[in-house]
Amino acid sequence: AQSVSQHNHHVILSEAASLELGCNYSYGGTVNLFWYVQYPGQHLQLLLKYFSGDPLVKGIKGFEAEFIKSKFSFNLRKPSVQWSDTAEYFCAARGGYGGSQGNLIFGKGTKLSVKP
Amino acid sequence: NAGVTQTPKFQVLKTGQSMTLQCAQDMNHNSMYWYRQDPGMGLRLIYYSASEGTTDKGEVPNGYNVSRLNKREFSLRLESAAPSQTSVYFCASRVFPGPGQETQYFGPGTRLLVL
Repeated sequence: AQSVSQHNHHVILSEAASLELGCNYSYGGTVNLFWYVQYPGQHLQLLLKYFSGDPLVKGIKGFEAEFIKSKFSFNLRKPSVQWSDTAEYFCAARGGYGGSQGNLIFGKGTKLSVKP
Repeated sequence: NAGVTQTPKFQVLKTGQSMTLQCAQDMNHNSMYWYRQDPGMGLRLIYYSASEGTTDKGEVPNGYNVSRLNKREFSLRLESAAPSQTSVYFCASRVFPGPGQETQYFGPGTRLLVL
């Protein structure tokens, strides 16, 4: 079955530290990949997405993610985190290209706590 | 543009009671979704509606029903609430302007406690 795995349940960093959150997916064919962020008490917001082309995707707030097809991975990175990045981060995937009605499969989320 | 709105924000039910969670979007999106979010489980799809007049089961549909009342509104009904349905419920809508441009927008959530 299709699935998305996020290996880190809770990550604690100090401000200015670098961040990398792991995401692996299991889809056999074309895949669309997303990272969403949920700040405390808020709804999910899209950080970035990958559909095709350049495997290094830049999103909002200084986040980026790299699609590595051979590793079935789509890890989220940020060179220097801030206290305001404290949130829960969800990786999501959808099989198929563009217009298919395939639904998003979400990972279980990674909580990021940034210490000031 | 309010985006995706949900009511109520918070609800407490007793086991066996029924209720309907309301969702509306003003972005003219065709597709709408209901998810539940539980600690350590991520978001799981309950039901979705690809377009007005159609609904389909997602990953965890048991105990729920939905209605796509019109293009704007997609409601989720719990006929007989159970403690296992204590969760945060998110509605979402999806836009697909073209390949690579898809985005899914989420509502603020409804926090449901079933005693």
